[in-house]
Amino acid sequence: EVQLVESGGGLVQPGGSLRLSCAASGFTFSSYSMNWVRQAPGKGLEWVSYISSSSSTIYYADSVKGRFTISRDNAKNSLYLQMNSLRDEDTAVYYCASGGGSLWGWGQGTLVTVSS
Amino acid sequence: DIQMTQSPSSLSASVGDRVTITCRASQGISNYLAWYQQKPGKVPKLLIYAASTLQSGVPSRFSGSGSGTDFTLTISSLQPEDVATYYCQKYNSAPFTFGPGTKVDIK
Repeated sequence: EVQLVESGGGLVQPGGSLRLSCAASGFTFSSYSMNWVRQAPGKGLEWVSYISSSSSTIYYADSVKGRFTISRDNAKNSLYLQMNSLRDEDTAVYYCASGGGSLWGWGQGTLVTVSS
Repeated sequence: DIQMTQSPSSLSASVGDRVTITCRASQGISNYLAWYQQKPGKVPKLLIYAASTLQSGVPSRFSGSGSGTDFTLTISSLQPEDVATYYCQKYNSAPFTFGPGTKVDIK
């Protein structure tokens, strides 16, 4: 069974940084692309970032480009999202999701709140 | 970037009704479209990929169709457990944009 467990969320001041982690199990993590998707309170889903299985291809949404960095460690079955220069509008539940196109596995999410 | 729209934004239907949700891309995306269901307070779940392929374990009352710019998600007989928000997502190329969602509830 696919399991994705996010951690690292919390309250941070505007301009601050946070690093999210996602621990994967139940599938061959190193073979699959991964993504981060976020959902602001009461709002819809927003795709944030993609990383290929070997980390050779990375994409970002314009809203986070230059501030967020996606990475992975296949030896540790882990996905990361380094978030810098956080803004109020980055407040959301952040999900890690597996898949190179359609997203077939989702974690429970971790809440990031950006507020002074 | 390609924009995704959905209609309606919300709908209310009776149990047993046929429900259709439309998703439109501002440019052609072939069949690189997925549909997700998000029940209240829950994690999104993949229903359909490649526009019309049912994800394993998804009830057969769900179906998808379309190609290019126009897509539909159909629930052939609405059930109480189908109360949710439904999102389409394009994945032909980055950014892998989601539609704004369609909220479905029971009349």
